[in-house]
Amino acid sequence: DTEVTQTPKHLVMGMTNKKSLKCEQHMGHRAMYWYKQKAKKPPELMFVYSYEKLSINESVPSRFSPECPNSSLLNLHLHALQPEDSALYLCASSQEGRGTNEQFFGPGTRLTVL
Amino acid sequence: AQRVTQPEKLLSVFKGAPVELKCNYSYSGSPELFWYVQYSRQRLQLLLRHISRESIKGFTADLNKGETSFHLKKPFAQEEDSAMYYCALYGANNLFFGTGTRLTVIP
Repeated sequence: DTEVTQTPKHLVMGMTNKKSLKCEQHMGHRAMYWYKQKAKKPPELMFVYSYEKLSINESVPSRFSPECPNSSLLNLHLHALQPEDSALYLCASSQEGRGTNEQFFGPGTRLTVL
Repeated sequence: AQRVTQPEKLLSVFKGAPVELKCNYSYSGSPELFWYVQYSRQRLQLLLRHISRESIKGFTADLNKGETSFHLKKPFAQEEDSAMYYCALYGANNLFFGTGTRLTVIP
């Protein structure tokens, strides 16, 4: 399996809801990433997990809470989001967290916050 | 601070014509640069990276440290090259993307 999968593909939620985004890879990669991409903008890094430990949190609001249950799974828990959080959320993985490693991207979850 | 600039949001060329997508960067350290591509309805994927000095799908990119550039070139554009292209720089444990250039190859 050489793909990064993400579920759900689409998610609509209210500002008081709690939801989770899921990401999975079975390539044996030890680094996993969450990016946020607004329309017509480039992806922006949110979190990096390296060997199941959070190594980078790019000053993301606490209403976004990442979790890495094991080396193949990455979750993003959402709570009390704002409409401006509506975006495409991309998951990626790489062999390790080094810059020279290619990052493999998932198809994304398109999130709409009402 | 690191920054990646892609001056052209849109670029159209005719099939068979040469194409060059511009990328300039700003980074105080030794940069690691990449080109990522997103074809219609497909996921973002790596096209090439500067350390490999390889040609992928006929595309090449040379790192010019003097001009702080990493332009993507192809001598003869094909229709299947139509896509969104992002230049990206790895620095400070982060992959920074440029704003992207949408390339359209006209048949």
